[in-house]
Formats: sequence, structure tokens, C-alpha cells
Amino acid sequence: AQKVTQAQTEISVVEKEDVTLDCVYETRDTTYYLFWYKQPPSGELVFLIRRNSFDEQNEISGRYSWNFQKSTSSFNFTITASQVVDSAVYFCALGANFGNEKLTFGTGTRLTIIP
Amino acid sequence: EAQVTQNPRYLITVTGKKLTVTCSQNMNHEYMSWYRQDPGLGLRQIYYSMNVEVTDKGDVPEGYKVSRKEKRNFPLILESPSPNQTSLYFCASSQGLAGLTDTQYFGPGTRLTVL
Repeated sequence: AQKVTQAQTEISVVEKEDVTLDCVYETRDTTYYLFWYKQPPSGELVFLIRRNSFDEQNEISGRYSWNFQKSTSSFNFTITASQVVDSAVYFCALGANFGNEKLTFGTGTRLTIIP
Repeated sequence: EAQVTQNPRYLITVTGKKLTVTCSQNMNHEYMSWYRQDPGLGLRQIYYSMNVEVTDKGDVPEGYKVSRKEKRNFPLILESPSPNQTSLYFCASSQGLAGLTDTQYFGPGTRLTVL
């Protein structure tokens, strides 16, 4: 069975600080995909990134970066120089059930950026 | 514009009154899915469909029905809603390529309250 753990329920940081959101996953599959989605206060789910299990290279996109470590089954997300617009709930998700494209979601981390 | 639409966005109803939440995508995606989001639980899959006339249960299918008569539409039916189905519902679609877990794109969500 797949499982995603986001141990940080809520995080608050002051604007311009860096913040890392943790994600730990469990799966028996050797091929799988990891995702991060952002849910702003308006409620929609915004896709941020997709990584496959064969590509452990870290990725950077502007102020966002992702650290994928297979050895620790983690896929952490860092926001550098945080801004108020980054305030949202962030979900980590695992896709590993081919045929059913189902995503197994973590319970989310609510990030609040204090101006 | 590529998008997944859901209607209605908000709905308050009473126990036992049948309702349908519509979902439509304009990306010619094969795979569609319904999730519900509840506080502290993340998103959980209700039903999914790999193609027209092909549907299957997700993790929490009890009390729900779906149909996939056209590729673009995937309505969620609550025959006899109960208060424990009060939730935020998301429809998602993806290309669903065989052997891959494709990126899923989510609709804006439907907030349902059952009194």
C-alpha cells in the first residue's frame, strides 16, 4: 500500500525567510511518481511539480526547489525568500498504481507567511 | 483554455435528496477521477475511469455512483446523500498513458453540505 506523510501540519514564517516542507512516502513499487500541489485560500489545486523515481536530480524553479532522496524516501519542498502569496496548503502526493492513475495524498501542510 | 470544470461550485442540500455534480474536461483526456477532501485526511479517491464506459471504485466509493458515457464528462451522483458526505469534492483528469502516472489536472472543487 502507498502512504504519504507530511508531519508538519502548520508552519508560520516571516516574509523573506526560507521554509522547507517535508514529505516522506512509502511504496513497494520500484517505479513511481511524486507530486506537489498547492491549494491557495481560494481552494483550487495547482500543480507544482512531478518527479519520477528514476530521476533523483534536485530541481529548482525560481524560488521553489525540490530535494528528492530515494535513500530516505523523502521529497522535500523548499521556498526561498518566502512571500505572502506563498501562503497556502501544500500537498505531497504519490502515484504508483498503474492502471489506476490514483494519487495518494499526504494530509497537507498549511503554510502561513507573515508580512 | 485547457481546463476541468465542475458544477455546481457550492451546494447545500438535505439528507436523501439525490444530486449530481458534473465534471467536464476539454483536453481529450482518457483518465478521470473524483476525490473528496476532508480536514486532516488529505484527498481520497472515490471513483475513477480509464476511458468511456470503464469505471472502477477508488478508496471511498460507498454512497456514490459515477458514469462515463462520453470522454469529456464524468458526473458524480449521490443517490441518497447523508451528512457524512459533506466535503470538498474535486474532479481530475489526465492523459493516462499506459505505464505512466501522468500529471492530473484538477477542477475548481465543489463544496457540498448535506444537512
